[in-house]
Amino acid sequence: QVQLQESGPGLVKPSETLSLTCTVSGGSISSSYWNWIRQSPGKGLEWIGYIYHTGSTVYNPSLKSRVTISVDTSKNQLFLKVTSVTAADTAVYYCATGGGFYSPSWFDPWGQGAQVTVSS
Amino acid sequence: DIQMTQSPSTLSASVGDRVTITCRASQTITSSLAWYQQRPGKAPNLLIYDASTLKRGVPSRFSGSGSGTEFTLTITSLQPDDFATYYCQHYTYYPYTFGQGTKLKLK
Repeated sequence: QVQLQESGPGLVKPSETLSLTCTVSGGSISSSYWNWIRQSPGKGLEWIGYIYHTGSTVYNPSLKSRVTISVDTSKNQLFLKVTSVTAADTAVYYCATGGGFYSPSWFDPWGQGAQVTVSS
Repeated sequence: DIQMTQSPSTLSASVGDRVTITCRASQTITSSLAWYQQRPGKAPNLLIYDASTLKRGVPSRFSGSGSGTEFTLTITSLQPDDFATYYCQHYTYYPYTFGQGTKLKLK
């Protein structure tokens, strides 16, 4: 059974870069679609984007200019970087596996989430 | 972007009740819809995908229906564990978007 675990700094200063890692266990990252999703009280659940094991990515246009998703298949890890953060980027960040064949489609399973607060 | 609107935002019910949550899409999404349950402090958990396919292991008291722009999640015979927040999500095309959530509360 695939399990995901997010990790990274819980506090990031405005204008800096948010960096998170998702470690995958119980399965290989060299398959499936790997997604980042965030949740904030103001905006609810927001899909950030995905990376396929081949390295191809799709991002939400609302964040595309500031987001990079990458993988390290040797470590079975998924990464998220969001540049030039503001308070609006404060959220719980989740990694999740896509359930579809030709696209991520639904998300299952999810990691437990990582709270990130943007504040000076 | 496709807007997903859930109703009601809050629903009060009792153990044993049957409840229905509605999710409307701003344009047709065929059957590309998933439902999730989220308990406080936890990640969302997939219940249903392709509008009506129950994820393996999810109790049969949960069911989904609909296509096009209107969808429903029905829970029959509510159990104490079912009081949580429920979200719909479309996956017709990018960006995927979620409904704002329906909080199911104990009456």
